[in-house]
Amino acid sequence: EVQLVQSGAVVKKPGESLKISCQGSGYRFTSYWIGWVRQMPGKGLEWMGIIYPADSDARYSPSFQGRVTISADKSITTAFLQWSSLRASDTAVYYCVRPYDHWGQGTLVTVSS
Amino acid sequence: QPVLTQSSSASASLGSSVRLTCTLSSGHSRYIIAWHQQQPGKAPRYLMKLEGSGSQNKGSGVPDRFSGSSSGAERYLTISNLQSEDEADYYCETWDSDTRVFGGGTKLTVL
Repeated sequence: EVQLVQSGAVVKKPGESLKISCQGSGYRFTSYWIGWVRQMPGKGLEWMGIIYPADSDARYSPSFQGRVTISADKSITTAFLQWSSLRASDTAVYYCVRPYDHWGQGTLVTVSS
Repeated sequence: QPVLTQSSSASASLGSSVRLTCTLSSGHSRYIIAWHQQQPGKAPRYLMKLEGSGSQNKGSGVPDRFSGSSSGAERYLTISNLQSEDEADYYCETWDSDTRVFGGGTKLTVL
């Protein structure tokens, strides 16, 4: 059974850094793209970017280019989404997705002073 | 880059049927889409992949009440015999070599 298990909810202050994770299991991790989707409070789904774990080829939606970094460690079948300096507007639930048919449970990121 | 357009809301009575629409932008009418359901407070769930031919590939455990169809640039999700648990947000998604996009979502209310 394919599973994507994400790290837990976090509360951070503006300006802090953060790295959240998504561990894949039940399939060959290096054979599938894996991506990240943002859902701000009360809003719809937005694609952020995607990575191919076999060679770490990462691609970003224009809205998120330069704001976040997507990476993967194939030795632990885990993808990551990181920020170097959080803003209050980064408050959202972040989902990892193995396009198009498998979703993680989501990670709530709250950024507040 | 493709754009997907969905109505913001829909409603139908318990036990009835409803058809939700996702419209592909000009020049992208042949694109494959996926439908996802997001129940309140939950992660999205994959329902099906839908091609322009109408061919569909449902996710594991998706009830037969959910079906997809296509006409030109429009992709439909029909839910028959509506149940209370079908009250949710429904998103369509498409992709090409450079990008992936979601529609704005349709909030379905079961009356």
